[in-house]
Amino acid sequence: DVKVTQSSRYLVKRTGEKVFLECVQDMDHENMFWYRQDPGLGLRLIYFSYDVKMKEKGDIPEGYSVSREKKERFSLILESASTNQTSMYLCASSFQQTNEKLLFGSGTQLSVL
Amino acid sequence: GDSVTQMEGPVTLSEEAFLTINCTYTATGYPSLFWYVQYPGEGLQLLLKATKADDKGSNKGFEATYRKETTSFHLEKGSVQVSDSAVYFCALRQGAQKLVFGQGTRLTINP
Repeated sequence: DVKVTQSSRYLVKRTGEKVFLECVQDMDHENMFWYRQDPGLGLRLIYFSYDVKMKEKGDIPEGYSVSREKKERFSLILESASTNQTSMYLCASSFQQTNEKLLFGSGTQLSVL
Repeated sequence: GDSVTQMEGPVTLSEEAFLTINCTYTATGYPSLFWYVQYPGEGLQLLLKATKADDKGSNKGFEATYRKETTSFHLEKGSVQVSDSAVYFCALRQGAQKLVFGQGTRLTINP
């Protein structure tokens, strides 16, 4: 069963901590995406990647960075977590040529205290 | 830039009621349009899509028609079930660019 796996369902961190959110897909997809989901705001794109070691800023990249050392893994990094980064984080992936059908992970609910 | 606007939620209906969730978009050119659904505790899943004007996407009893003249892609279902309770997202994609999502509409169906 093909899937996108996010390492944690719930995460609680303190302000100023460095936070790593991990995402792994087993479908050999080229494209991978990180979104955050907030009530009333829908999904907003943080970063995306079209290939290994490649990354592009989305609409709200401030305070975040990413790493894609292997095709199957796309990590989101919060360099110094802040309370306004408390949110649901969703990872997604797709094939290069049919990128409209995103496959999503179940999400990580991050709370920054 | 491109944007998607959905009707305000939450929406609460009784089982077997008719459902409409409105979605309008702003985009240059001719985007592809999508509806995604998020069931409780899960990620988003593609529900249906339409890639050109007057196309109708359909799946699981849901339908949406791409209306270029009104820049709309309203989601409809003739008779909803409790299992349809979820959050619904309208989205667009322009060429090979990323998806742009609406704010989501939470739907609750009561037995």
